[in-house]
Amino acid sequence: EADIYQTPRYLVIGTGKKITLECSQTMGHDKMYWYQQDPGMELHLIHYSYGVNSTEKGDLSSESTVSRIRTEHFPLTLESARPSHTSQYLCASSDRLQGTTRETQYFGPGTRLLVL
Amino acid sequence: LAKTTQPISMDSYEGQEVNITCSHNNIATNDYITWYQQFPSQGPRFIIQGYKTKVTNEVASLFIPADRKSSTLSLPRVSLSDTAVYYCLVGAGNDYKLSFGAGTTVTVRA
Repeated sequence: EADIYQTPRYLVIGTGKKITLECSQTMGHDKMYWYQQDPGMELHLIHYSYGVNSTEKGDLSSESTVSRIRTEHFPLTLESARPSHTSQYLCASSDRLQGTTRETQYFGPGTRLLVL
Repeated sequence: LAKTTQPISMDSYEGQEVNITCSHNNIATNDYITWYQQFPSQGPRFIIQGYKTKVTNEVASLFIPADRKSSTLSLPRVSLSDTAVYYCLVGAGNDYKLSFGAGTTVTVRA
């Protein structure tokens, strides 16, 4: 079972507030990802990282930013939350089986964000 | 990235076998096929992964024909708790991102 954690699990916040969603994994995985998903809708990749000091934007344009200062930690920050940011945010990390190209993503429990 | 096509939804009854076929016509030589399961309000969970022929674990079986242009996830004797969205992903470890797509919503009825 994967060890990947997200906090908070639920967050209700007012417009204009700065928020940081935390994601940590204890598996030593180099790759980490942030996805955004609305209820009943597809997962959209918003950020990913190959490793420490590596961050890239994903397919879906997002006003959030990420950082990767430590391997195990990949926080996502919204400088000024808006109602349009209301969604579920899922963090994942992935491993690669040594000597192969096989890779599996492990997901955290998610953060449900409501911006009023 | 190999694009995948899978049915939007499938209905089944408890105790039946559910087979979900995923098409991936432009799969690359070093691509693996991975299936994930997602329950509402949770993150996707790895189910099974394969490269060719057949793979079986305690949860499901994955059938991959010789040309690898499709794959079939088989869930034996489903129960109500198997109601979820199932995603087929195709790619290799050097892909920086894998698209989950819309997945297949499987509804199991009593």
